[in-house]
Amino acid sequence: DAGVTQSPTHLIKTRGQQVTLRCSPKSGHDTVSWYQQALGQGPQFIFQYYEEEERQRGNFPDRFSGHQFPNYSSELNVNALLLGDSALYLCASSSQRDRLNQPQHFGDGTRLSIL
Amino acid sequence: AQKITQTQPGMFVQEKEAVTLDCTYDTSDQSYGLFWYKQPSSGEMIFLIYQGSYDEQNATEGRYSLNFQKARKSANLVISASQLGDSAMYFCAMSASGGSYIPTFGRGTSLIVHP
Repeated sequence: DAGVTQSPTHLIKTRGQQVTLRCSPKSGHDTVSWYQQALGQGPQFIFQYYEEEERQRGNFPDRFSGHQFPNYSSELNVNALLLGDSALYLCASSSQRDRLNQPQHFGDGTRLSIL
Repeated sequence: AQKITQTQPGMFVQEKEAVTLDCTYDTSDQSYGLFWYKQPSSGEMIFLIYQGSYDEQNATEGRYSLNFQKARKSANLVISASQLGDSAMYFCAMSASGGSYIPTFGRGTSLIVHP
């Protein structure tokens, strides 16, 4: 049973560029959440997708956008990259039905470095 | 609003000894869930243990137990018989209906296990 998979594992971009990160959820999960984790911090919630729609959004600018596909996989897009976007981006999947008492399952993350 | 506080930036423990990682939380919801995750240097967030706000018994999972004190709003993680492989970052998180079940994470505690 495959867990949450993310690609790529590492990425180096320059300021002003655009980036797309990808996530496949754990089998049986229908909800995907994205987090940004800066060095020395806990994960910060970016947004959550369910039924191909953005359901919840954290305090992130519109440069951060996403998409969920019919197979529940998801993409995170970041436009006009800034140095401060350098972080570990974590994808987490869960089941909408069990969202209170079941944990989210995380992928290994994508380390994004902005030069 | 939900808030998780982890006041210990770093902890050291001797191999085979027990260690307690502190977590306090704040929420106005009556129904909520508390989670602990382990994050090794590789980046993946590994779910360890869950405690529901209505659970009367403290949760246990192998060497992990959660010391849940509802009146104090604390949910400390106890790791018994520490192993070298326990060295990692540990994050406490909470999920509640008031936050649309989006987990809020603390800043984490770095645990180092000495041989």
